[in-house]
Amino acid sequence: SAVISQKPSRDICQRGTSLTIQCQVDSQVTMMFWYRQQPGQSLTLIATANQGSEATYESGFVIDKFPISRPNLTFSTLTVSNMSPEDSSIYLCSVRGGTGELFFGEGSRLTVL
Amino acid sequence: QKEVEQNSGPLSVPEGAIASLNCTYSDRGSQSFFWYRQYSGKSPELIMFIYSNGDKEDGRFTAQLNKASQYVSLLIRDSQPSDSATYLCAPRGFNKFYFGSGTKLNVKP
Repeated sequence: SAVISQKPSRDICQRGTSLTIQCQVDSQVTMMFWYRQQPGQSLTLIATANQGSEATYESGFVIDKFPISRPNLTFSTLTVSNMSPEDSSIYLCSVRGGTGELFFGEGSRLTVL
Repeated sequence: QKEVEQNSGPLSVPEGAIASLNCTYSDRGSQSFFWYRQYSGKSPELIMFIYSNGDKEDGRFTAQLNKASQYVSLLIRDSQPSDSATYLCAPRGFNKFYFGSGTKLNVKP
């Protein structure tokens, strides 16, 4: 299984500001996935980050709100822009294992006031 | 209709009992089915997965799959208080996972 580190683990932010979440994997992977888990809800895929190309966003998520970088095969960032209280969630970075399963980072718990 | 349906619970079982967690899904193209456990405040961790119809056992856990009925379940034998968590069902379609909202399991000592 992959070891996935996320930073920050939690943060409290003011409305209208932006926060960048970092994700580091201990091995090279083609795709990295960013999920959101709102309180009491399931996991929702935000986007897939591919190295060397634009991220692919799911319906309801746009690049202006959630810009993603993927500078190499072990690292990605997700920025939550112009935050509102509705953005308060856990943001999870994940990668796929050898048999198709997903492994998750520890998550970044974001609270927007 | 949600892609993945799970009873939110909480499901309460006594220590040592069998816990049965159920999941139905709508995407008939789903080929593999994953169960994750999520402790409060933590990220999901993989328990096991199943590809073929029937049962698959891994220690105290058994996954059951019926593709015709679009139904997958997870049985936990000899339930322990440490099994108390939310269990997420995640069918995988073509290159995409669908996550249920999870069933909360409480195992009472």
